Amino acid sequence: DAGITQSPRHKVTETGTPVTLRCHQTENHRYMYWYRQDPGHGLRLIHYSYGVKDTDKGEVSDGYSVSRSKTEDFLLTLESATSSQTSVYFCAISRDSMNTEAFFGQGTRLTVV
Amino acid sequence: QKEVEQDPGPLSVPEGAIVSLNCTYSNSAFQYFMWYRQYSRKGPELLMYTYSSGNKEDGRFTAQVDKSSKYISLFIRDSQPSDSATYLCAMSVSQGAQKLVFGQGTRLTINP
Repeated sequence: DAGITQSPRHKVTETGTPVTLRCHQTENHRYMYWYRQDPGHGLRLIHYSYGVKDTDKGEVSDGYSVSRSKTEDFLLTLESATSSQTSVYFCAISRDSMNTEAFFGQGTRLTVV
Repeated sequence: QKEVEQDPGPLSVPEGAIVSLNCTYSNSAFQYFMWYRQYSRKGPELLMYTYSSGNKEDGRFTAQVDKSSKYISLFIRDSQPSDSATYLCAMSVSQGAQKLVFGQGTRLTINP
């Protein structure tokens, strides 16, 4: 999967708790993205990063924050998890912003109970 | 109304059949069109990419864009059980993966 590792792969958490998902890449790509995938909605962009400490919001950013202190790591944090954030989360990377060059990780299945 | 509409299926066809997968869209400014394949419990992988209108062929796969009808298609010839997956269309106005708008995906099963 193009040198992308997401952790954890599965997580069950309780409503109101903070949760952090990690995306680690070994490709030294500049761009990193967090998507969520839900039935009936396809993939929707949460946040993305275009460099260390450079991030921007996507379509569904409410309730999520991100950080990128190193090129290889992009963290997604749910400050206070809600049941509506139960989803499969995918990280993607791309060398530049070319939309044909985004490679996806294997996903993290998050359940908020 | 969603910008990109895709029938979620499921679609089940016999091995060897020609498969047609489709998406419609409402934003006439879309210029970049992509098809992703996603196996169960895996991330999506880019299968086909087309810029603007026309057809593009890659082995058993053909991507077709009809901008006048705001309609894109993916055809799979001589379908194989290994083609069983969810197929997502995606499109964007400009370059930039952060600009991609995805369809919800069509689940396809090829029966031996």
